[in-house]
Amino acid sequence: DTGVSQDPRHKITKRGQNVTFRCDPISEHNRLYWYRQTLGQGPEFLTYFQNEAQLEKSRLLSDRFSAERPKGSFSTLEIQRTEQGDSAMYLCASSLGGQGFDEQYFGPGTRLTVT
Amino acid sequence: DAKTTQPNSMESNEEEPVHLPCNHSTISGTDYIHWYRQLPSQGPEYVIHGLTSNVNNRMASLAIAEDRKSSTLILHRATLRDAAVYYCILRDYNAGNNRKLIWGLGTSLAVNP
Repeated sequence: DTGVSQDPRHKITKRGQNVTFRCDPISEHNRLYWYRQTLGQGPEFLTYFQNEAQLEKSRLLSDRFSAERPKGSFSTLEIQRTEQGDSAMYLCASSLGGQGFDEQYFGPGTRLTVT
Repeated sequence: DAKTTQPNSMESNEEEPVHLPCNHSTISGTDYIHWYRQLPSQGPEYVIHGLTSNVNNRMASLAIAEDRKSSTLILHRATLRDAAVYYCILRDYNAGNNRKLIWGLGTSLAVNP
């Protein structure tokens, strides 16, 4: 257990429905990341927060995806009008911040299946 | 970010050393070399990182070639728990606010009892 928790661990939804995932980072960590991982592939970066500010978004993050980190604590990732191609493992990571090397601690992930 | 190349899979026997190679011929002078691993059904976890000199920690050793175009992660005595996908990742901490990690396909390590 890294101290990063994600909820739910599994989500099955029908195409067209909206889903929301939650990530609780390690409490003193300033940075929070979302990645997506499909079977047999490495994680792909989606977005990154420094405290409550969303500093970078991948081009993978279409306008159906939105992420928030109110008050710089937990974060939510919402997918609207889900498509079958959204089926993947969604990973959250957090890091302490600062200059130089910054180890990312990953949660267990939320596995999304869109039917 | 510069790319890395790793073998798709490797196999080892329990309690034997394992050398996992990574090629990064386009590495820049300020790229750090990181290794993360992902155990089955878990999120990735940090293993080790380095810039120029070889590094040791409780989990592994990292041997970096003199020209930095390749590196090797060394597990000194493989255990069954070391069966995982190992990712070699480059990251330039001088690159402004760009903090993301760029992941390849990694090496899937199987450990035989």
